[in-house]
Amino acid sequence: GNSVTQMEGPVTLSEEAFLTINCTYTATGYPSLFWYVQYPGEGLQLLLKATKADDKGSNKGFEATYRKETTSFHLEKGSVQVSDSAVYFCALSDTDKLIFGTGTRLQVFP
Amino acid sequence: GAGVSQTPSNKVTEKGKYVELRCDPISGHTALYWYRQSLGQGPEFLIYFQGTGAADDSGLPNDRFFAVRPEGSVSTLKIQRTERGDSAVYLCASSLTGTRGSGELFFGEGSRLTVL
Repeated sequence: GNSVTQMEGPVTLSEEAFLTINCTYTATGYPSLFWYVQYPGEGLQLLLKATKADDKGSNKGFEATYRKETTSFHLEKGSVQVSDSAVYFCALSDTDKLIFGTGTRLQVFP
Repeated sequence: GAGVSQTPSNKVTEKGKYVELRCDPISGHTALYWYRQSLGQGPEFLIYFQGTGAADDSGLPNDRFFAVRPEGSVSTLKIQRTERGDSAVYLCASSLTGTRGSGELFFGEGSRLTVL
């Protein structure tokens, strides 16, 4: 079945460092791909998405490109802030539901 | 505006008891989802409603789990004869059209269930 694999965390960075969180997927067909974020004490919220190959999703300085040839959707940010500390989930659409990865915790220190 | 509301936020129960978890979706959202999130894991799909009907219940782990949405708004997840392995955070999400549209699900903060 369809699935998502994320790099394990935690990822620990200093403020202004470059961030990459890897995500690969297995799917039949052409799913849409998503990154959701869960800040401490809050519900999951959509960070960005891409609906077809080579699309780039972006929001709040984060970017991810839908790479069909490598079945990947890696999350990147050029300069992280302490406020980016959260758990990040990669997900894909499977008919009418989302399938999530296990999540990657990001900790950013000043 | 009001987001997805889940009650209770915390529930502690004993093995074998019956539990109900409630979800109040965003007004006007026809799609409603239940997910379960165990410690250190991602959300695991349980069931999806489109209106009043369960369009996909393939994620319910066994017949102890049941969910209803009788008027197409509020939904209740019901767990019978709870087991310690049911301990998790139960997440509810709603969407205007489901993942076939924008794909954006709006999540509540979850109901943390602990079975002793």
